[in-house]
Amino acid sequence: DTGVSQNPRHKITKRGQNVTFRCDPISEHNRLYWYRQTLGQGPEFLTYFQNEAQLEKSRLLSDRFSAERPKGSFSTLEIQRTEQGDSAMYLCASSLVNYGYTFGSGTRLTVV
Amino acid sequence: RKEVEQDPGPFNVPEGATVAFNCTYSNSASQSFFWYRQDCRKEPKLLMSVYSSGNEDGRFTAQLNRASQYISLLIRDSKLSDSATYLCVVVGNTGTASKLTFGTGTRLQVTL
Repeated sequence: DTGVSQNPRHKITKRGQNVTFRCDPISEHNRLYWYRQTLGQGPEFLTYFQNEAQLEKSRLLSDRFSAERPKGSFSTLEIQRTEQGDSAMYLCASSLVNYGYTFGSGTRLTVV
Repeated sequence: RKEVEQDPGPFNVPEGATVAFNCTYSNSASQSFFWYRQDCRKEPKLLMSVYSSGNEDGRFTAQLNRASQYISLLIRDSKLSDSATYLCVVVGNTGTASKLTFGTGTRLQVTL
């Protein structure tokens, strides 16, 4: 297992388009988190799954954002009708319990 | 008030210097505390956990003061390779969530 994998690494999209990112966590980790990071800020929590259940969503996650983890393994984060303010690094992390969080390399989104 | 507050820096120090970073958190019910390191355009990586008794890992010492809701990181004998952003991270248990809450990070630049 090579850690948390995120795809794509970079995505440039036109405003108004939909984008989808994928995260493959460490295989034995049952918890999966999505964070967003903008320049000069720390990562901000978006949402959290335990197995396939989405247990918490941040107020940052507007109606245009949806995340799934259908079989409790990989997860997808979709942004509909992208806006320039969505430009950020989207980070995925996984953990087994409350410790040992491991982050993926992130997907850098640029909305033009 | 932000949940986790850090001085963003930058801290510019010469090689060999000792540098200290501080962080305060607002939620007295927070359970776990960490320092993460983030290199430019990379994902955050766990540097060390923080305990009330204090813990040391080589040149790095972390300390937690629960009464003052204050966390510190001390780096001795700074190396050029220590140049990075140091993120203070707090974990609180709110229901079933155990999400990481990050500070904005403190940027360290070690120079010759």
